[in-house]
Amino acid sequence: AQSVTQLDSQVPVFEEAPVELRCNYSSSVSVYLFWYVQYPNQGLQLLLKYLSGSTLVESINGFEAEFNKSQTSFHLRKPSVHISDTAEYFCAVSRSSGNTPLVFGKGTRLSVIA
Amino acid sequence: EAGVAQSPRYKIIEKRQSVAFWCNPISGHATLYWYQQILGQGPKLLIQFQNNGVVDDSQLPKDRFSAERLKGVDSTLKIQPAKLEDSAVYLCASSLDLVAAPQFFGPGTRLTVL
Repeated sequence: AQSVTQLDSQVPVFEEAPVELRCNYSSSVSVYLFWYVQYPNQGLQLLLKYLSGSTLVESINGFEAEFNKSQTSFHLRKPSVHISDTAEYFCAVSRSSGNTPLVFGKGTRLSVIA
Repeated sequence: EAGVAQSPRYKIIEKRQSVAFWCNPISGHATLYWYQQILGQGPKLLIQFQNNGVVDDSQLPKDRFSAERLKGVDSTLKIQPAKLEDSAVYLCASSLDLVAAPQFFGPGTRLTVL
């Protein structure tokens, strides 16, 4: 079975400051890794994913995440946040075989302060 | 492209009543998921369909929850009878039948059981 731990339930940060949202996972089999974002009153949206290849993956809005197999981590980072980044961020994993469901962490609420 | 549609968006019922949720996935998506998201937690899989067949329902409380996907398109999730602890957001997601295909989520149905 897989499990995901998001170490911070809430992260307040000032606008234009850098941010890191931490995610660790546990699995006995190889996995794919995902970050989803949920803006207020909206559904979950895929932000970025790691399937294979380069361990650093990027999103179109400036976020990046790095897969670290030895530390079983997939932390999400952004060098300079905007007010519009305020949302709940979920880290998730799925088995890397077949079309399998996602196992989510509890989420991290990012609040960007002007 | 139309997204995943869900209805109703909100539902308030009393315990021991029954309730049903409806989901219309993205056209052409063979895989459909129902997740339960309790306040303060990440979504948890209830059931996964591949076309109109059940792939995984190991976490579905079958004594009170049931789901079907007639004709491999729309799906309904039913709770009968509801308990207080069923208060949650019920999310429907769909994806293509491909390894690691991204899941697209609907806006969810927020259920409150009084």
